[in-house]
Amino acid sequence: GAGVSQTPSNKVTEKGKYVELRCDPISGHTALYWYRQSLGQGPEFLIYFQGTGAADDSGLPNDRFFAVRPEGSVSTLKIQRTERGDSAVYLCASSFGTSGRVGHDEQFFGPGTRLTVL
Amino acid sequence: AQSVTQLGSHVSVSEGALVLLRCNYSSSVPPYLFWYVQYPNQGLQLLLKYTTGATLVKGINGFEAEFKKSETSFHLTKPSAHMSDAAEYFCAVIEPGRAGKSTFGDGTTLTVKP
Repeated sequence: GAGVSQTPSNKVTEKGKYVELRCDPISGHTALYWYRQSLGQGPEFLIYFQGTGAADDSGLPNDRFFAVRPEGSVSTLKIQRTERGDSAVYLCASSFGTSGRVGHDEQFFGPGTRLTVL
Repeated sequence: AQSVTQLGSHVSVSEGALVLLRCNYSSSVPPYLFWYVQYPNQGLQLLLKYTTGATLVKGINGFEAEFKKSETSFHLTKPSAHMSDAAEYFCAVIEPGRAGKSTFGDGTTLTVKP
């Protein structure tokens, strides 16, 4: 079956530009997560959706970062006025999100989008 | 704030030797604990997890890990390394009550020598 997919796989942009990164979760998964992974580091939590709503956005670094999931399936991570420090691999994951278990649901990760800001 | 420390960013073992990858966490309450593996050009894949119950957890590909509360550790082991185990391994924790917010270590790259 289809796993988590992310598009584009690579994105090169110039400083100050706006970018959108897309995540298609596994069908039926209600929980969706975004992480950022810089070179030589582990993934860093950004935001977690349960259905259409952001249940925890405490990891978003500043107000240039925003994510939506309007229909409870596909999610888009939006970055305004990109900076060179935003360069990283952006990972998306999804899980069943079963009530009471979401804290330790298995998260299924996509291959990531490599963002390079010149 | 929670943190996860993986001692040794690179570990090299010979094929057939014991694999030991170390993970320590800091948390005010025992968290949920996870090990993930990332093969080149692939997404992260769950190896095993500890939530409650038996502290020795068995995962895929012959890996296991033991939760030791007194040592705040969750080390990953495999009795006999295989060439196909070469990958990057990440330890992660989720604090109960903070559903979905995983905190990851910086990873350990495992090299297996023939």
